[in-house]
Amino acid sequence: DAKTTQPTSMDCAEGRAANLPCNHSTISGNEYVYWYRQIHSQGPQYIIHGLKNNETNEMASLIITEDRKSSTLILPHATLRDTAVYYCIVRVEYAGKSTFGDGTTLTVKP
Amino acid sequence: NAGVTQTPKFQVLKTGQSMTLQCAQDMNHEYMSWYRQDPGMGLRLIHYSVGAGITDQGEVPNGYNVSRSTTEDFPLRLLSAAPSQTSVYFCATQGPYNEQFFGPGTRLTVL
Repeated sequence: DAKTTQPTSMDCAEGRAANLPCNHSTISGNEYVYWYRQIHSQGPQYIIHGLKNNETNEMASLIITEDRKSSTLILPHATLRDTAVYYCIVRVEYAGKSTFGDGTTLTVKP
Repeated sequence: NAGVTQTPKFQVLKTGQSMTLQCAQDMNHEYMSWYRQDPGMGLRLIHYSVGAGITDQGEVPNGYNVSRSTTEDFPLRLLSAAPSQTSVYFCATQGPYNEQFFGPGTRLTVL
């Protein structure tokens, strides 16, 4: 699986959009980008994933660059409950495992 | 629909003791995995299974055994607990789009 690089930490004002970047410059053509988050002491929670097209669900939007070497997770209206560690993972579709890095600690401030 | 359940929630062991961490799912997912998370660290894969009867090692398998006799259950066995195994253990399944669903975790302390 390709390696990802994320900033260690980010802050965001409550009600504003949170934009979390992820670099995956060595991504292969059959690798998907997945995002998870982990709220303090809880199990990680799946957010969204995509291959090359932008994706949106009820939680977030995922923007993948045309060359697929980087992506951005967007939380459109961040709340205090979105404070968590966000993990960007790149993996092939059929693999039964994911490699979690250190993620980005997002702190949403009032 | 309980999703992924783990028992116990908390456990304290003495060095050298053995125990089994239980993981069960009612989502009928073939893939299941075990991760450990040390304080302030990311998740590290211990073992995983692509279906009943099939298991494989992750990046930190030493000191742990797994088996997968049914789709629903994927227990993790600590053979002889060591203080270095103090951690939070998460079990996960994999859904139809290969997204993973995690259990609430077992917090293990080895004295």
